[in-house]
Amino acid sequence: GQNIDQPTEMTATEGAIVQINCTYQTSGFNGLFWYQQHAGEAPTFLSYNVLDGLEEKGRFSSFLSRSKGYSYLLLKELQMKDSASYLCAVREVTTDSWGKLQFGAGTQVVVTP
Amino acid sequence: EAQVTQNPRYLITVTGKKLTVTCSQNMNHEYMSWYRQDPGLGLRQIYYSMNVEVTDKGDVPEGYKVSRKEKRNFPLILESPSPNQTSLYFCASSLGPNTEAFFGQGTRLTVV
Repeated sequence: GQNIDQPTEMTATEGAIVQINCTYQTSGFNGLFWYQQHAGEAPTFLSYNVLDGLEEKGRFSSFLSRSKGYSYLLLKELQMKDSASYLCAVREVTTDSWGKLQFGAGTQVVVTP
Repeated sequence: EAQVTQNPRYLITVTGKKLTVTCSQNMNHEYMSWYRQDPGLGLRQIYYSMNVEVTDKGDVPEGYKVSRKEKRNFPLILESPSPNQTSLYFCASSLGPNTEAFFGQGTRLTVV
């Protein structure tokens, strides 16, 4: 989506930590999602943030700062199977739309041995 | 098994020949969406639906139609396909717009 920015690609070593940043601009923020998409497959849900702060779920954590229009996804103890594209998506609610979801272009994470 | 089913998975068609991509979910979800995915552009929302007979445009609705006559089905209709609609299409469903979405396996459409 044109209002959502995330890096195109990141490379990290197995066992390391990687942080994927996502910045957004919207007039009607109503939640932020992270999805994982392996090559040739459908996206799968990772996390959802609507309030400021950190949400932890196993090796994955997601952080949100609404005042800064910023989120990050933290992947710890990287495994080879974590090589995938990570998609940031923002739900926008305005007077004209109530359920629109905009995705960033995705960040391709490459995990090396 | 809870799932979202799209058909067909692959389709090659000619410009102007009407087609429908079907989407069905068995989870009693109210919210359904259609997306197209193009290299470098990510997923872009075409249409979404909050419930039966309630639909709204996403970011790229031009050239597409949808209908939601039943809760479980949300077909995507291309009345007159053009080559710029060649893309990978995903259908998704969720309990609501702020909950986990489940995606179908995708439909790769080529318009020649």
